[in-house]
Formats: sequence, C-alpha cells, structure tokens
Amino acid sequence: DTAVSQTPKYLVTQMGNDKSIKCEQNLGHDTMYWYKQDSKKFLKIMFSYNNKELIINETVPNRFSPKSPDKAHLNLHINSLELGDSAVYFCASSQASSGYNEQFFGPGTRLTVL
Amino acid sequence: KNEVEQSPQNLTAQEGEFITINCSYSVGISALHWLQQHPGGGIVSLFMLSSGKKKHGRLIATINIQEKHSSLHITASHPRDSAVYICAVRSQAGTALIFGKGTTLSVSS
Repeated sequence: DTAVSQTPKYLVTQMGNDKSIKCEQNLGHDTMYWYKQDSKKFLKIMFSYNNKELIINETVPNRFSPKSPDKAHLNLHINSLELGDSAVYFCASSQASSGYNEQFFGPGTRLTVL
Repeated sequence: KNEVEQSPQNLTAQEGEFITINCSYSVGISALHWLQQHPGGGIVSLFMLSSGKKKHGRLIATINIQEKHSSLHITASHPRDSAVYICAVRSQAGTALIFGKGTTLSVSS
C-alpha cells in the first residue's frame, strides 16, 4: 500500500495552461505539505495544511492554489503556467504539524512547461 | 546564507569506505531530519533526531544541539548508497522543514 501517492507522475504542458496535481495519504495523518524542488534539486516549502486548514503559505504566486477536500487529500492547482514553474513537486504528510513528527513523501510529480 | 548548510556538496568514494556528511544549521530546532533521494527521484526519511545518536544498519546519525551540527555516517559504503542526502530541520517556531542543498554521493565498486 502506497502511503503518500501523487498523480500524475509526469506532466508536460504548454505555457498558459491550467493544471492540477493530486495527493492522497492513507496514513491517517493530520498535516500535509507541498514542496517544490527546483532544477538545482533544492527543496522548499510551498504550503502546509493541518486538518484541512491552511497553516503555511510561503511566498508563492497566487496562480498556485492548494485545495484540501478532506485531511487525506491535498491537491495543487496551478493557473496560467509559466516556464519557471517547471520543477518536481512533492507532497508529504506528518502525524501533526508541530515538533517531532516524521514526514512521509510522495513520489513526486515532474512538471515540464513548454 | 541558507539556514541549513551541508558539506561536502559532492562526494565520491570507493566501495567499503567510511562516509561522513555534515550539516550545520543556524536556527533553534525541534527536530533534524536526514533524507535520501535516489536517482529515480523518490525521497525517503532516514532519520529524525533531536538529540544524541541513532543507528540503522550501516547508517548512523548524530546531532550536537549546542553546536547546531549533525553528521550522517555510512559504514562500509556500497554502490547502492549512491544518492543525494539531504539534511532538513524543523525550527522551534515553524511547521515545515527547511532544507539543505543536499550532498550527492557516488560510490563506485
């Protein structure tokens, strides 16, 4: 059983399009995250949700909108895609939002904007 | 300057060598994580620690809270250990992880 799953694994699209990436965790965790890994492999937090509520919103263009229909799902919708959005996006989850909690990562979604 | 600094950036080793990767951080933390990312791209959590030392198989992680420093050691390295090793911290005030830039390890037979 996959603990944290993401779909799709690869996404190739044209500039200006709107796309979504889905994330689901079956670990019963309360907190979910979206991270972006750039071309230099550097990871950075984008958003974090705790029990469907947004708790972190880093400096991310408002073209990116996370949606959490329930605490097991955190989807990422991106409007008007730009070349610079090309990256690998990782979803993760942890039992709680604070302190000493291990994070479990999804397999990543490689987004390529042409 | 990044809040989490790793060294070295790249590391090559012969099979069987003892490997050390270092991580220094500048913020107060509630936990430090060591992650592994294989060429296929997936990220796996190796260790989470807030004090002392942890061991799992050939991997050992240590942390010195006073010096704000952690090390990841690999004993008897093997080509399958080739991966990017990433240090990340959760600050006392924060919720998400702050990542180092990773150390790319290549072990040849």
